[in-house]
Amino acid sequence: AQTVTQSQPEMSVQEAETVTLSCTYDTSESDYYLFWYKQPPSRQMILVIRQEAYKQQNATENRFSVNFQKAAKSFSLKISDSQLGDAAMYFCASIRTPGSARQLTFGSGTQLTVLP
Amino acid sequence: NAGVMQNPRHLVRRRGQEARLRCSPMKGHSHVYWYRQLPEEGLKFMVYLQKENIIDESGMPKERFSAEFPKEGPSILRIQQVVRGDSAAYFCASSPRQAPGNTIYFGEGSWLTVV
Repeated sequence: AQTVTQSQPEMSVQEAETVTLSCTYDTSESDYYLFWYKQPPSRQMILVIRQEAYKQQNATENRFSVNFQKAAKSFSLKISDSQLGDAAMYFCASIRTPGSARQLTFGSGTQLTVLP
Repeated sequence: NAGVMQNPRHLVRRRGQEARLRCSPMKGHSHVYWYRQLPEEGLKFMVYLQKENIIDESGMPKERFSAEFPKEGPSILRIQQVVRGDSAAYFCASSPRQAPGNTIYFGEGSWLTVV
């Protein structure tokens, strides 16, 4: 079974500043994928970034990047140049390899507030 | 390419009634998933379906809940004899058969309120 832990229920950041959201996970699988999803007030689940566990290079999507530490089972999200539209609940999630049951396991979320 | 479509977006049911939530996956996607989000919680997996088959229903409550994904038409999540504890957001998601990175795309959710 996989577990995902987000230890920061709430975070805040000043507009234009950088913030890092933490996520740790536990899995017995050797190959898996990790994701960050964003849930704004509209409640839609929006994929922010994904990381293949077999890739050492950290994924980057514009202002969003991850720090993937496989040995430590850590997968943090860094948001640079924070914007008001980044305010949302952020969920870290994991999934096992293709061919197995495609269950996403979610953390409990981190509510990010962006201060003007 | 339209995204995952869910309807209704909001549904109010009295205790004991039935709730039916519909989901049309993205074009070209043959895998559908249902997740439930209780207030102040993360999403929890319920069921994974392919066309006409339930692949994994390990997250489904044993009673009153059922899901289908027929050969034609949307996937349906059915909740019989609803209770107050069923009030939640129900998210449908889909992925193509060969999903790169297993990326799963979510709909906007259906909010069920049981009064």
